[in-house]
Amino acid sequence: KAGVTQTPRYLIKTRGQQVTLSCSPISGHRSVSWYQQTPGQGLQFLFEYFSETQRNKGNFPGRFSGRQFSNSRSEMNVSTLELGDSALYLCASRSDLRGYNEQFFGPGTRLTVL
Amino acid sequence: AQKVTQAQTEISVVEKEDVTLDCVYETRDTTYYLFWYKQPPSGELVFLIRRNSFDEQNEISGRYSWNFQKSTSSFNFTITASQVVDSAVYFCALTFTGGGNKLTFGTGTQLKVEL
Repeated sequence: KAGVTQTPRYLIKTRGQQVTLSCSPISGHRSVSWYQQTPGQGLQFLFEYFSETQRNKGNFPGRFSGRQFSNSRSEMNVSTLELGDSALYLCASRSDLRGYNEQFFGPGTRLTVL
Repeated sequence: AQKVTQAQTEISVVEKEDVTLDCVYETRDTTYYLFWYKQPPSGELVFLIRRNSFDEQNEISGRYSWNFQKSTSSFNFTITASQVVDSAVYFCALTFTGGGNKLTFGTGTQLKVEL
């Protein structure tokens, strides 16, 4: 079974631009969540999608948005990029919303904002 | 509010030494779930173990073992006979019933295993 895939793996953007990151969950998994990892703030939850609906949202500004498609693939978008948005963005999937089900993470997209 | 504390920022050991990574958590929920993840240099978080709050049995998987103690709100991870391949950042994480996918992570412990 293929794991969680994320594209692109690396991205360089300049301040003010916008970016879209993509995540394909494990086949059969309907829940996708996104995390931001930075040296200063560590791993922080961005949002969670299940059956195309946002179920949970972290404490990030509105510049960060996401969506999920009917095939469970998810995208996240960051508009008006700031230097502080440079981070590793990790996507995770799991089969459903039951709390005890572990999440499986993708390799991440490393975003650099210049 | 949920909180996970990994007080050890970095640990260095020599191969074949045993090493314990500490994790202390805070939660008001009576039903919660604890996890350990490994992050090698490649960046991908690798799931290691899940423990439910109502199951305090310790677990052993090969060279890995976990000690869950609700009385001290700790979920420590021990690697026996460490190997160079164990070098990575290890994260402890917590979620609760109704928390969905929202994992609260600790700051991680960088483990370096040297020859």
